[in-house]
Amino acid sequence: AQSVSQHNHHVILSEAASLELGCNYSYGGTVNLFWYVQYPGQHLQLLLKYFSGDPLVKGIKGFEAEFIKSKFSFNLRKPSVQWSDTAEYFCAVNARDSSYKLIFGSGTRLLVRP
Amino acid sequence: ETGVTQTPRHLVMGMTNKKSLKCEQHLGHNAMYWYKQSAKKPLELMFVYNFKEQTENNSVPSRFSPECPNSSHLFLHLHTLQPEDSALYLCASSQDDRGSSYEQYFGPGTRLTVT
Repeated sequence: AQSVSQHNHHVILSEAASLELGCNYSYGGTVNLFWYVQYPGQHLQLLLKYFSGDPLVKGIKGFEAEFIKSKFSFNLRKPSVQWSDTAEYFCAVNARDSSYKLIFGSGTRLLVRP
Repeated sequence: ETGVTQTPRHLVMGMTNKKSLKCEQHLGHNAMYWYKQSAKKPLELMFVYNFKEQTENNSVPSRFSPECPNSSHLFLHLHTLQPEDSALYLCASSQDDRGSSYEQYFGPGTRLTVT
């Protein structure tokens, strides 16, 4: 069965610090990869996605993620975080052969201190 | 706003009550989803509807009963729930459930508390 692991459950950073959130998945076939963000009191929204092509994808608000197939990883990065990045971040995967089944990780709560 | 609305936003119900959650999408999508978000657990897919037909029931107890009268509306009927059913219930939509590249758009959720 597919699964997604986010190893950091809580991350606390100061403004301007660099961010890297880990995401690993288990599935041997072709996958699509997503990062969603949930700001306090708001709905889940898509941050970025990878389907094919360049494994380094750029999303909104200065976020990027790199797909490393050999490591089954899709880590999220941002060079300099802002207080407004305080949110919960979810990595998600769907397999090409079961496209609607979006499997989520358990999420990482990021707190950015001003 | 993502174009997916959910009502009510908060619901408190007793174990013997019957209530319904409503989801509406204004995106012209053909697939709609119900997810359960519990504290400290990953989002769990509950049901998938594509072109009004249920294509997935992820082993959800029968006390949860979905209904999709058209591609824009999705309901989740609740009856005789248990306290462990307290969670945030999220609705999502996508172009359809066969196009794997179509991302899902989420509503704000209904915070359900079962007393």
